Amino acid sequence: DAGITQSPRHKVTETGTPVTLRCHQTENHRYMYWYRQDPGHGLRLIHYSYGVKDTDKGEVSDGYSVSRSKTEDFLLTLESATSSQTSVYFCAISDSQAGAYEQYFGPGTRLTVT
Amino acid sequence: QKEVEQDPGPLSVPEGAIVSLNCTYSNSAFQYFMWYRQYSRKGPELLMYTYSSGNKEDGRFTAQVDKSSKYISLFIRDSQPSDSATYLCAALSGTALIFGKGTTLSVSS
Repeated sequence: DAGITQSPRHKVTETGTPVTLRCHQTENHRYMYWYRQDPGHGLRLIHYSYGVKDTDKGEVSDGYSVSRSKTEDFLLTLESATSSQTSVYFCAISDSQAGAYEQYFGPGTRLTVT
Repeated sequence: QKEVEQDPGPLSVPEGAIVSLNCTYSNSAFQYFMWYRQYSRKGPELLMYTYSSGNKEDGRFTAQVDKSSKYISLFIRDSQPSDSATYLCAALSGTALIFGKGTTLSVSS
């Protein structure tokens, strides 16, 4: 998985609770991404980061926030989890904007919101 | 309409068969096209990418893009049971990948 780890790998939480997912990379890549994967929708971009403290929204960003204080770590936070956020979350990395066609994915976090 | 469309299958073939996986896309501005393979409960794995129109070959895999018809294909020769997975096509839009929903392939021995 290209030097990418995600934690936790599985989480069950209750509606209304805050949740933070972590992505850690050892490749020193500048770009990091959060996607969610749902049956019937495929993979969709939530947020991405193009450097420390530099982030931008993706297609399905409502209800999510991100932070990146170090090159190697990209955090995804659900401020108040809802059942519609039950999904599998994948982190991806690429070395540059020009190289964004080569995105490498982590192993995923399976989140269930009850 | 989703920008990248992919028939979800499932597709079942015998070992040794030639497999053809296909996607269509709607945005003519797309220039980069990717194929990912995803095993059950794993992250997507980049197989290959193609820029603009043309073919690209890597071992038993060939990716083909026809921009005139907005058609993306992946061919797998001499398919193996280890090729059983979900195959995702994607197009690059800015810095984001726009994915098809994936086609599930099963190769029986």
